Amino acid sequence: EDQVTQSPEALRLQEGESSSLNCSYTVSGLRGLFWYRQDPGKGPEFLFTLYSAGEEKEKERLKATLTKKESFLHITAPKPEDSATYLCAVQGQTGANNLFFGTGTRLTVIP
Amino acid sequence: AAGVIQSPRHLIKEKRETATLKCYPIPRHDTVYWYQQGPGQDPQFLISFYEKMQSDKGSIPDRFSAQQFSDYHSELNMSSLELGDSALYFCASSLYRRLAGLSSYNEQFFGPGTRLTVL
Repeated sequence: EDQVTQSPEALRLQEGESSSLNCSYTVSGLRGLFWYRQDPGKGPEFLFTLYSAGEEKEKERLKATLTKKESFLHITAPKPEDSATYLCAVQGQTGANNLFFGTGTRLTVIP
Repeated sequence: AAGVIQSPRHLIKEKRETATLKCYPIPRHDTVYWYQQGPGQDPQFLISFYEKMQSDKGSIPDRFSAQQFSDYHSELNMSSLELGDSALYFCASSLYRRLAGLSSYNEQFFGPGTRLTVL
């Protein structure tokens, strides 16, 4: 059974204090790993797709990396507007195209 | 750029009533997904449609049904509503893409959601 575990559950950072969020996954053949950002009461906002180990993608202060067992979302010099819940999701090889989500990391960046 | 549109944004119903949620995917996207997100929880997959045919089924109760129409919009019909159905309901759309040498993957883009409250 597919499993996605995100850590930490919550993270408080000072503005400018870089850190990383972790997403560990167990899936029968990974087709894609996806990172989303979600603000309270809003829909998840697509950030990145990674589909092979060693791949990296960057967008502004965010950088996502992928290994065969986990993915990291690195946040460099975060700003208060980066505060949100970051969700990791996977698509496995079972054929279903739906996303299987982790429970997310709630990030708070303090000015 | 056009995004996924959902209506209504908020809906309040009584127990045992019915509700219909609508989703308009991003233009030219051929796949629609429905997810349910309870308070403090991650989105849970309900059902999806590809080219107007049901493609995958998740944890959708028998009281719920859905379809995708010829214009690719989708509707989620919910009957005999229960208190536990109160949640955010998201629609996502994607364009089916095949990666050379590998199976397909597709980036799903989510709508703003419908907040359903059952009293």
